[in-house]
Amino acid sequence: AQSVTQPDIHITVSEGASLELRCNYSYGATPYLFWYVQSPGQGLQLLLKYFSGDTLVQGIKGFEAEFKRSQSSFNLRKPSVHWSDAAEYFCAVGFTGGGNKLTFGTGTQLKVEL
Amino acid sequence: DGGITQSPKYLFRKEGQNVTLSCEQNLNHDAMYWYRQDPGQGLRLIYYSQIVNDFQKGDIAEGYSVSREKKESFPLTVTSAQKNPTAFYLCASSNGQGAGTGELFFGEGSRLTVL
Repeated sequence: AQSVTQPDIHITVSEGASLELRCNYSYGATPYLFWYVQSPGQGLQLLLKYFSGDTLVQGIKGFEAEFKRSQSSFNLRKPSVHWSDAAEYFCAVGFTGGGNKLTFGTGTQLKVEL
Repeated sequence: DGGITQSPKYLFRKEGQNVTLSCEQNLNHDAMYWYRQDPGQGLRLIYYSQIVNDFQKGDIAEGYSVSREKKESFPLTVTSAQKNPTAFYLCASSNGQGAGTGELFFGEGSRLTVL
């Protein structure tokens, strides 16, 4: 079965600093990869997704992620973090024939210091 | 505006009682999902439905039940058999491609607390 690992439970960055959130997946074939963001007490919003093609994908709010097959990774990046980016971030993986299910990582809580 | 509406937002239940969480969508999506979220555990799939009158168990279906009588609605019942029901519950939907390839749209969640 596929799995997703987000090794960092909490990350703190200063406003204006760059950000990288790590995500590793375990799956034999090419997965479909997603990053979602969740504000406290809210549902999840899609930031970006990778299905195929260019391995560097752009998302909303200035986020990007790069699919690296050799490292089974899909790390999320942002060049300059804003205080409003403080939230919890989830990486997720799906695949065709997977029963239309997504498997989520345990999340990374981002704190932004002013 | 199109979206997913979950109700109630907060719910308190005594032990031994069943409770039903509502989920309605007006996105005309075929597939709907229920996830449970606990701190530090991410989201875990409870049940999902790809079409009306059909649904499948997810990873943690024990103690839960669902129905899908209408395309727009996918209510979740937390039964007394669920040993640890206190959690944040999220409903989601996706288009005909399915969650494996398509985007999930989420409601704002329902927080259930068992007293």
